[in-house]
Amino acid sequence: AQSVTQLGSHVSVSEGALVLLRCNYSSSVPPYLFWYVQYPNQGLQLLLKYTSAATLVKGINGFEAEFKKSETSFHLTKPSAHMSDAAEYFCAVRPLLTGNEKLTFGTGTRLTIIP
Amino acid sequence: GAGVSQSPSNKVTEKGKDVELRCDPISGHTALYWYRQSLGQGLEFLIYFQGNSAPDKSGLPSDRFSAERTGGSVSTLTIQRTQQEDSAVYLCASRTGGSYNEQFFGPGTRLTVL
Repeated sequence: AQSVTQLGSHVSVSEGALVLLRCNYSSSVPPYLFWYVQYPNQGLQLLLKYTSAATLVKGINGFEAEFKKSETSFHLTKPSAHMSDAAEYFCAVRPLLTGNEKLTFGTGTRLTIIP
Repeated sequence: GAGVSQSPSNKVTEKGKDVELRCDPISGHTALYWYRQSLGQGLEFLIYFQGNSAPDKSGLPSDRFSAERTGGSVSTLTIQRTQQEDSAVYLCASRTGGSYNEQFFGPGTRLTVL
């Protein structure tokens, strides 16, 4: 079974500092990988996705993630944090095989921005 | 355009009662998913629909949970004889095109079982 591990349930960074949210996946075959963001009392919004094309994926709001097969990682980064980035972030995995459609989510990382 | 909508936004019920949660996917989206978000379990997959059929029901936690989709559009998740552990936010998502495409999520229904 596939799974994702998000290291750090809470991350705090200063405004303007680098944001790094970690995600490692467990799969024998590189899967599709996603990062979603959830603002308070809202649904999930896709930030970016990896679907076996470019290993460096750029998403919305200045976020990007790099797929590293050797490390089974898909960490999310943003060079300069903004107050509006405060939210909960979820990494998710979906296998390449068609017919198995479900997303498996990590436990989430709550990002706090310090003014 | 309109996104995925869910109703009600909040539902409070008493233990043992049945509840129905509704999801209106984005028009034209053939795939529909239900997930549950709870403090103890995080985000869990419940069921997946392709059109009106449900090829994957593996995430439904018990036979008290059922879901249907009619006309390839609206879906209803029914929980019978609700228990306190059913309290959670129930999220619906829909998708079009290839299976690697984005799932668009609704705002969720917060269910509280007293």
